[in-house]
Amino acid sequence: EAQVTQNPRYLITVTGKKLTVTCSQNMNHEYMSWYRQDPGLGLRQIYYSMNVEVTDKGDVPEGYKVSRKEKRNFPLILESPSPNQTSLYFCASSWTGESYNSPLHFGNGTRLTVT
Amino acid sequence: GQSLEQPSEVTAVEGAIVQINCTYQTSGFYGLSWYQQHDGGAPTFLSYNGLDGLEETGRFSSFLSRSDSYGYLLLQELQMKDSASYFCAVDFQKLVFGTGTRLLVSP
Repeated sequence: EAQVTQNPRYLITVTGKKLTVTCSQNMNHEYMSWYRQDPGLGLRQIYYSMNVEVTDKGDVPEGYKVSRKEKRNFPLILESPSPNQTSLYFCASSWTGESYNSPLHFGNGTRLTVT
Repeated sequence: GQSLEQPSEVTAVEGAIVQINCTYQTSGFYGLSWYQQHDGGAPTFLSYNGLDGLEETGRFSSFLSRSDSYGYLLLQELQMKDSASYFCAVDFQKLVFGTGTRLLVSP
């Protein structure tokens, strides 16, 4: 089954404790992206990757890191989480970054709480 | 920057028709997309307008007018399962999403 898999689904952590949210897709998509979703603010892009070893900042990159060493994986790293990073996170992928020929496929989300 | 505005909430009854508007203050984008998200779920792609005009997919239609900086999603023959949030998004090599419209369908 074609899918984007994120883990974990739920995560509660404390301020400053490094964490990684994994994302993997099995569709051979070139484009991958991370979003955070907060009430009233919609989906805001954190980082995106057009292909292996190519990553770029989205609209809200502060406090996050990503890597794209393999095509299928795009982990999101919070080196020192803070309470304002409490949010619902989505990983997404598509064939390319242009939606005119490639809609986004989203993972099921990771709900992160930082205390 | 890019800015997309949607109504925060729309209510309707089963069987009705509802239109969710999306207005934007930007230009030069490739097209307008719509995504649906049920509570607790992931967004899923509904439709894409690369050209001005109406695109129809079953009960759902989407419209774009670049000259009016305006688009909408039209849902016909509403069903309870259509209760969800709906997001428009414009494509500037990366998608920029609106803040979403929560649709509540009642019996």
